[in-house]
Amino acid sequence: ETGVTQSPTHLIKTRGQQVTLRCSSQSGHNTVSWYQQALGQGPQFIFQYYREEENGRGNFPPRFSGLQFPNYSSELNVNALELDDSALYLCASSETSGRTDTQYFGPGTRLTVL
Amino acid sequence: DQQVKQNSPSLSVQEGRISILNCDYTNSMFDYFLWYKKYPAEGPTFLISISSIKDKNEDGRFTVFLNKSAKHLSLHIVPSQPGDSAVYFCAAGWAQGKLIFGQGTTLQVKP
Repeated sequence: ETGVTQSPTHLIKTRGQQVTLRCSSQSGHNTVSWYQQALGQGPQFIFQYYREEENGRGNFPPRFSGLQFPNYSSELNVNALELDDSALYLCASSETSGRTDTQYFGPGTRLTVL
Repeated sequence: DQQVKQNSPSLSVQEGRISILNCDYTNSMFDYFLWYKKYPAEGPTFLISISSIKDKNEDGRFTVFLNKSAKHLSLHIVPSQPGDSAVYFCAAGWAQGKLIFGQGTTLQVKP
């Protein structure tokens, strides 16, 4: 059984560019959540996907968007990058949504915006 | 508004002693609480969870206590080991699956 994987590990972009981050969920998990972790802070919820539909969103602007595919892998897209978007982006998967399900995290993608 | 707070940024304990990490929350509607451990350059690793209907959950060296009237939970690690040195996050969740994290507490266990 493979855990949650994310790609790429590190990424450097310039302000105004667009970025796509990828996540493969743990085997058997149909829910994927994305979090942004700024330096010295806890992870902040961006949004969650359950069976290819967005299932909740945190306090992030529309330029943060996502997709979930039939195999339950997921993408996070960020348009018009800003300097403050520099952070560790974490993906977490869980077995179902709407219950007290434990979320399992990937290693994250470190995004630097210059 | 910070719904989940970890007021101690760091904690240092001696190997073999008890480590107690604390977390306070403001929203009484949370359904469950979790503790995660994070090493540098890795994602958070799930440690232990507790439902809002319980007041204690134990797993090996780790015990989580929930005091709903005080809106407070704590993680006890007994005995502490040097490998426990990491950043610990508490998180609270609803049935919708969104987790709210605290700011984290850095635990250092000295040999």
